[in-house]
Amino acid sequence: QSALTQPASVSGSPGQSITISCTGTSSDVGGYNYVSWYQQHPGKAPKLMIYEVSNRPSGVPDRFSGSKSGNTASLTISGLQAEDEADYYCSSYTSSSTYVFGTGTKVTVL
Amino acid sequence: EVQLVESGGGLVKPGGSLRLSCAASGFTFSSYSMNWVRQAPGKGLEWVSSISSSSSYIYYADSVKGRFTISRDNAKNSLYLQMNSLRAEDTAVYYCARGSGWYWYWGQGTLVTVSS
Repeated sequence: QSALTQPASVSGSPGQSITISCTGTSSDVGGYNYVSWYQQHPGKAPKLMIYEVSNRPSGVPDRFSGSKSGNTASLTISGLQAEDEADYYCSSYTSSSTYVFGTGTKVTVL
Repeated sequence: EVQLVESGGGLVKPGGSLRLSCAASGFTFSSYSMNWVRQAPGKGLEWVSSISSSSSYIYYADSVKGRFTISRDNAKNSLYLQMNSLRAEDTAVYYCARGSGWYWYWGQGTLVTVSS
């Protein structure tokens, strides 16, 4: 149950687009479409941003989008805003019927 | 409005036990799988355990298998985590979360500190 690999940090200026990668294996990310993304502000509970690779819950701005290619999933934030500064985690179902989170990415808005 | 409220956290000595509870409201609790996810201070999220709606399917992370037990009482709309043989590395905020495949709703978390 090794954590999925994410970059430690990603930064961008307001209005720019950034992409966060989430790399796993064929036993998790590559094998299932149960990939989700969570946003977490300091001291707060995580918030679901994307589910089933690319679906957005109601209320999540459409500047957040998700995709997957092989064993790597990605979260793209288009038109970066100050309130997007937070930690982001991916998660995937695994072949062991368990779940695994990514290592987390700190997004900084310059 | 969906609400998940954890309780039962606190300070416990290594080797000790603690039972966490999660009170659910605002939805039909018995229809949903539930989960425990933890976050050590300054660290990332770690999935701990999942239980299906009728308790038929239960899964654990290797790090807690044999020490933690997840359970639920659908009549009381409550989720539990019995934690035994606690170690320093179990120190974390423990969240309960609703869902299977992804976690749509989360509680605010309860802090468990394992220290002598």
